[in-house]
Amino acid sequence: DTEVTQTPKHLVMGMTNKKSLKCEQHMGHRAMYWYKQKAKKPPELMFVYSYEKLSINESVPSRFSPECPNSSLLNLHLHALQPEDSALYLCASSQDGTSNQPQHFGDGTRLSIL
Amino acid sequence: SQKIEQNSEALNIQEGKTATLTCNYTNYSPAYLQWYRQDPGRGPVFLLLIRENEKEKRKERLKVTFDTTLKQSLFHITASQPADSATYLCALYGSSNTGKLIFGQGTTLQVKP
Repeated sequence: DTEVTQTPKHLVMGMTNKKSLKCEQHMGHRAMYWYKQKAKKPPELMFVYSYEKLSINESVPSRFSPECPNSSLLNLHLHALQPEDSALYLCASSQDGTSNQPQHFGDGTRLSIL
Repeated sequence: SQKIEQNSEALNIQEGKTATLTCNYTNYSPAYLQWYRQDPGRGPVFLLLIRENEKEKRKERLKVTFDTTLKQSLFHITASQPADSATYLCALYGSSNTGKLIFGQGTTLQVKP
């Protein structure tokens, strides 16, 4: 079991739907991340939150909207997605985001866009 | 441009042998380098972090080396077991952005009994 919990594990949605992915950690970490991973590719960073403030947005389309309600929770709101957005979405956390720290990953949400 | 390169082909070895995986990087000056393991359908799991002033780091059957002159890290699994079969990813933080972890493509290791 991972210490970063992601829900749901699987999500199928149409291109006009609105849905949200959720991520929770109780390790007291102050940095949280969203990654996108396509098959046989490495994870690609989407967003970084540091102390509940968005610190990095890797030019992600506005149909993906992150939210950090508190230090333990991270959401990714999805709207009007495209078929190419089908992927594994991974959440991770680290102590405070500096480069000497490992990241702890959840097992992801497998997203399929019809 | 900055690149992290790992053996793109799968590595197949016999149980009990030592597996050696390579990670090369260009246009980085990392203070730290990390290795992760990823199983199919799961998130990456952190294995080891090595600092630029450390030549070698060990954890049980795992050993990592870090040569900042060659811009290379080697990851060794000794006495390999079928349970070690997975994809192994090396990762560096981008030089100007704290928090931006960049992964190599990963090497898939298959250990045969």
